[in-house]
Amino acid sequence: GNSVTQMEGPVTLSEEAFLTINCTYTATGYPSLFWYVQYPGEGLQLLLKATKADDKGSNKGFEATYRKETTSFHLEKGSVQVSDSAVYFCALSKGGSARQLTFGSGTQLTVLP
Amino acid sequence: DTGVSQDPRHKITKRGQNVTFRCDPISEHNRLYWYRQTLGQGPEFLTYFQNEAQLEKSRLLSDRFSAERPKGSFSTLEIQRTEQGDSAMYLCASSSARGTDTQYFGPGTRLTVL
Repeated sequence: GNSVTQMEGPVTLSEEAFLTINCTYTATGYPSLFWYVQYPGEGLQLLLKATKADDKGSNKGFEATYRKETTSFHLEKGSVQVSDSAVYFCALSKGGSARQLTFGSGTQLTVLP
Repeated sequence: DTGVSQDPRHKITKRGQNVTFRCDPISEHNRLYWYRQTLGQGPEFLTYFQNEAQLEKSRLLSDRFSAERPKGSFSTLEIQRTEQGDSAMYLCASSSARGTDTQYFGPGTRLTVL
């Protein structure tokens, strides 16, 4: 079946540090890949997505590239801010008759001033 | 676009009681999803509607769980004879078959079964 494996957390960084959160997936075919973010006390929000191999999703300074050869979709940001503190979830969707999202377990990020 | 809304936001119940949650999707969205999230885990898919038709159900959705979307607008999720293991955050999401089909999530209903 489909599965998503995320980097174990929690992750603590100083403001302006470089962020990488690893995500790998197992799925047949060509899933769409997503990063969702959950800020404290709020619901899940879509951060970025990519729908085919070598696509790069980007939003709010975050980027992730769909790597079919390594089945990965790592999240990166060059300079994190305190306001980026949240839980980040990697997810995939097969679309068609299986369009539900399969999520990783989430990575808690804390950015210190 | 007022976003996905869920009611109630919190529910505390005793084991064995029935509970019902409501989800109102974004108005033009014809697809609606239910997920369950336990502490420290990512959301897990429960069921999916396109308009009023329930097209997919997870094995997680035991016989005690039932979901409806009678007019293709709001949806309800009912849990009968609740168990302590049902304690979780229940999330609703909606998407549109037109455009990107991106799922937008509501704030969730937190269920505590005592």
